[in-house]
Amino acid sequence: NAGVTQTPKFQVLKTGQSMTLQCAQDMNHNSMYWYRQDPGMGLRLIYYSASEGTTDKGEVPNGYNVSRLNKREFSLRLESAAPSQTSVYFCASSVGGIEQPQHFGDGTRLSIL
Amino acid sequence: ELKVEQNPLFLSMQEGKNYTIYCNYSTTSDRLYWYRQDPGKSLESLFVLLSNGAVKQEGRLMASLDTKARLSTLHITAAVHDLSATYFCAARMNAGNNRKLIWGLGTSLAVNP
Repeated sequence: NAGVTQTPKFQVLKTGQSMTLQCAQDMNHNSMYWYRQDPGMGLRLIYYSASEGTTDKGEVPNGYNVSRLNKREFSLRLESAAPSQTSVYFCASSVGGIEQPQHFGDGTRLSIL
Repeated sequence: ELKVEQNPLFLSMQEGKNYTIYCNYSTTSDRLYWYRQDPGKSLESLFVLLSNGAVKQEGRLMASLDTKARLSTLHITAAVHDLSATYFCAARMNAGNNRKLIWGLGTSLAVNP
């Protein structure tokens, strides 16, 4: 029972490089989310997708783009990475809307030099 | 704007002792969530509190919600080492269709023998 799978688990980038973080869930959930977690900042929502084909901005969307490829997959892209985007990124999903408990992936630890 | 404050942010306690973690939120919210995160791991949903006076218990953890006081508590009874983790509360912000969760900074709990 995989749940929410994120790849890669670790990544180091140079400033200006681009990268896509992948997320897939096998629970047939409708909603998916991308968060970043920084020390002393808690979790902040980057983007979310309430259903296949829709995406909406969260609190901190600048510098990111997302794609809800299908019901299972929700990717996060950094077009031109900046050191301020060094963080741990979590993907989550929920069966319905944001009022449902969210199931989280193991996270991607991203460092940008 | 909804803000969520947890205290304490750090808690060191002895096995067998009781303690309470507090989660205050600044504006009206109709749902309160508690999550647990082990070091370097993902977040796990513990409780969803849906209404004023709601109380939920799982093992040594009990969560409650007082919407009038805008306060949720997570009570730990007779702590054991396995409860060492970071505990997050999150409140759902009611803002028309733009509902989202606002997260506290987390309480890092260490239970010592």
